Amino acid sequence: DAGVTQSPTHLIKTRGQQVTLRCSPKSGHDTVSWYQQALGQGPQFIFQYYEEEERQRGNFPDRFSGHQYPNYSSELNVNALLLGDSALYLCASSLSVLAGRDLAQYFGPGTRLTVL
Amino acid sequence: GESVGLHLPTLSVQEGDNSIINCAYSNSASDYFIWYKQESGKGPQFIIDIRSNMDKRQGQRVTVLLNKTVKHLSLQIAATQPGDSAVYFCAENEEGYSTLTFGKGTMLLVSP
Repeated sequence: DAGVTQSPTHLIKTRGQQVTLRCSPKSGHDTVSWYQQALGQGPQFIFQYYEEEERQRGNFPDRFSGHQYPNYSSELNVNALLLGDSALYLCASSLSVLAGRDLAQYFGPGTRLTVL
Repeated sequence: GESVGLHLPTLSVQEGDNSIINCAYSNSASDYFIWYKQESGKGPQFIIDIRSNMDKRQGQRVTVLLNKTVKHLSLQIAATQPGDSAVYFCAENEEGYSTLTFGKGTMLLVSP
């Protein structure tokens, strides 16, 4: 049973550039959430995708956008990168609440983004 | 906004001891809680969860206790091992939402 996978593992960008991070959910899961984790902090919710639509969003600017594909995989895009965007970006998958199933979110290994 | 927080930033124990990691939450609408373990350079690993209609749940070597009256959550690890050394986060979920709100975490250090 494949767990959550993310790519790439590490990424280095410069200020002003754009980045795309990718996530494949755990087998059988239909919901993908993205989190940003700064060093020494807990993960902060960015947004969640279900049925190819953004269902909920945290307190992040519009520079952060996403997409979910029919196979439930997802992308996180960040435009006009700032130094402060340097962080570990985590993807978590779960089954939709509407399905009345497990609320547990399972995380991938993350993508370490460094903005210079 | 309301958030989840932890009392102790670092907990040091000896191998074989029992560990207790505490967490306070302030959102009375939260009805689901998860404990995660995060090792350096890795994503959070699901340990155990509990719903608000329960006050205790046990797993393998771990027990989660929930006290809704004082909005307190704890994770008990029995016979702590060096491999348990990591940062532990509690996360809460508010009824009707699927997002998780995390605290800052507690570092557990286990000495052999």
